[in-house]
Amino acid sequence: KQEVTQIPAALSVPEGENLVLNCSFTDSAIYNLQWFRQDPGKGLTSLLLIQSSQREQTSGRLNASLDKSSGRSTLYIAASQPGDSATYLCAVNNQGGKLIFGQGTELSVKP
Amino acid sequence: GAVVSQHPSWVICKSGTSVKIECRSLDFQATTMFWYRQFPKQSLMLMATSNEGSKATYEQGVEKDKFLINHASLTLSTLTVTSAHPEDSSFYICSARDPDPEAFFGQGTRLTVV
Repeated sequence: KQEVTQIPAALSVPEGENLVLNCSFTDSAIYNLQWFRQDPGKGLTSLLLIQSSQREQTSGRLNASLDKSSGRSTLYIAASQPGDSATYLCAVNNQGGKLIFGQGTELSVKP
Repeated sequence: GAVVSQHPSWVICKSGTSVKIECRSLDFQATTMFWYRQFPKQSLMLMATSNEGSKATYEQGVEKDKFLINHASLTLSTLTVTSAHPEDSSFYICSARDPDPEAFFGQGTRLTVV
């Protein structure tokens, strides 16, 4: 059974810092992995999707890497801003579009 | 990216009544839609998978007679919480995908049963 773990559960940093969020999964036979952002009481916004054959994806200040063999992904946020404050969720897709989510990392960026 | 609209965004209902939540894909045809549930401070748990024109597939532990899912068209799926009770209060989120592997999520519906 696929299990997804995210570390840390919460993170507070001053504005401008670069930071890394971690995601690990137990079954390496994944189809793809997605990182999402969730603001309090809101739905999910897709940030980056990495196919199983890819090693990383970049969008603006965000960079996500994938090491399928070790069951790990990281989300790197450069030059963090207060507007980046949210919960970040990692989800793996084994097949068919069903996503298994981690518990999330609650990020707070202080001005 | 593609847009998925969920309605209503929040609803309060009395215990014992039924509530319907709609999930629409606005600019693409969703061959598959998923319904998730999220309790406060917890992650999303998949409830069921629905394919257009066929019965939904429910995850283990989810009561299919309580959470009725209908996927009547390629752009609309509905989740009906029947005979709702306070323990059903939660945040319900749908997602939709076409053959593209990326999943797009609705805004979520906060259900409060009083």
